[in-house]
Amino acid sequence: DTAVSQTPKYLVTQMGNDKSIKCEQNLGHDTMYWYKQDSKKFLKIMFSYNNKELIINETVPNRFSPKSPDKAHLNLHINSLELGDSAVYFCASSNAGGESGGYTFGSGTRLTVV
Amino acid sequence: GENVEQHPSTLSVQEGDSAVIKCTYSDSASNYFPWYKQELGKRPQLIIDIRSNVGEKKDQRIAVTLNKTAKHFSLHITETQPEDSAVYFCAASRQGGATNKLIFGTGTLLAVQP
Repeated sequence: DTAVSQTPKYLVTQMGNDKSIKCEQNLGHDTMYWYKQDSKKFLKIMFSYNNKELIINETVPNRFSPKSPDKAHLNLHINSLELGDSAVYFCASSNAGGESGGYTFGSGTRLTVV
Repeated sequence: GENVEQHPSTLSVQEGDSAVIKCTYSDSASNYFPWYKQELGKRPQLIIDIRSNVGEKKDQRIAVTLNKTAKHFSLHITETQPEDSAVYFCAASRQGGATNKLIFGTGTLLAVQP
């Protein structure tokens, strides 16, 4: 069983299009995240949701809109895609609070905007 | 703001030698320090972590040390093998609050030459 699963794995699309990435975790974690990994491998946090509530929004353009229908799912919708959005997007989950340990990452979605 | 610096950015060692990667964090309230290994095209995976109440932790060929006063922590890999080749990320977070935001270092590309 995959603990954190993302779909799609690859996404190639044209500039200006709107696309969504989906993430699901079956670990019972209460917090989910979106990270962006650029071509230089930098891992930068974008959003975090705890029990469906947005708790971190790291100065990401308004074109990016996360949505968490329940604590096991976190989706990312991107409007008006730009060339600079090309990257690998990782979903992750953990438990917030206490000695909760590190993240479990999904396998990533490689987004290429042409 | 929170920042984690990581050195070196690339490291090449001969099989059997040791490798050391060093990180410095800026947020003195950070209390959890995981290390992730990311193989080419794969997700980051947790390999070892340390909490601020511990100075050193070891797991087979991997060890991590933490100097809270200097805000430094390091990853030590002994008897390196070609399968250790990957990008390694350090990270720091302040656990126990509403968020569990991991701030990642910039990564170290480790190449183990057979």
